[in-house]
Amino acid sequence: QKEVEQDPGPLSVPEGAIVSLNCTYSNSAFQYFMWYRQYSRKGPELLMYTYSSGNKEDGRFTAQVDKSSKYISLFIRDSQPSDSATYLCAMISGRNTPLVFGKGTRLSVIA
Amino acid sequence: KAGVTQTPRYLIKTRGQQVTLSCSPISGHRSVSWYQQTPGQGLQFLFEYFSETQRNKGNFPGRFSGRQFSNSRSEMNVSTLELGDSALYLCASSRRTEGNTEAFFGQGTRLTVV
Repeated sequence: QKEVEQDPGPLSVPEGAIVSLNCTYSNSAFQYFMWYRQYSRKGPELLMYTYSSGNKEDGRFTAQVDKSSKYISLFIRDSQPSDSATYLCAMISGRNTPLVFGKGTRLSVIA
Repeated sequence: KAGVTQTPRYLIKTRGQQVTLSCSPISGHRSVSWYQQTPGQGLQFLFEYFSETQRNKGNFPGRFSGRQFSNSRSEMNVSTLELGDSALYLCASSRRTEGNTEAFFGQGTRLTVV
């Protein structure tokens, strides 16, 4: 079993839809949770990170962490075609430990 | 503020050759990490350098090595290239205070081994 599991998709939604992206993990030592967005032929771009269980909002993006279930989510409201990309979850047990990534979910938002 | 710069962007090498990739971190960032990205395995951690010292190492063979210079720029070297080394190689930099909670990636170097 991989440490971080993420459905690869692809996920296709109409413009304006609410998108839900999810990851599960097995290592209870993970304390920090990040979401990255990666456009084709580009490097990953950090969207947001969370530490505690609960929700964190940043514009149209909401990150949710449930440590008891070892489950994290990223919600995108009012999705736009420019949100079409691969979304990667990543997590670490300490600030100076390496990022452990999910394999990414490819999202397409159709106009 | 300039981002993380990786050179070259693309490389084609032959099996058995060696290759050196370069990464210039964001100004003020002293930690540089390297990752390999392939369609099958996703992003996998290679190694991390902080203040010219290797701080963490992933599970890759000894053919993969790296170093960091006093100006925080980093290089990684792959010797005796194999077809399976074809991948996007990404480096990320971060500040000491935030660590890998705020790691910023470069555009990557796409290596093709033929």
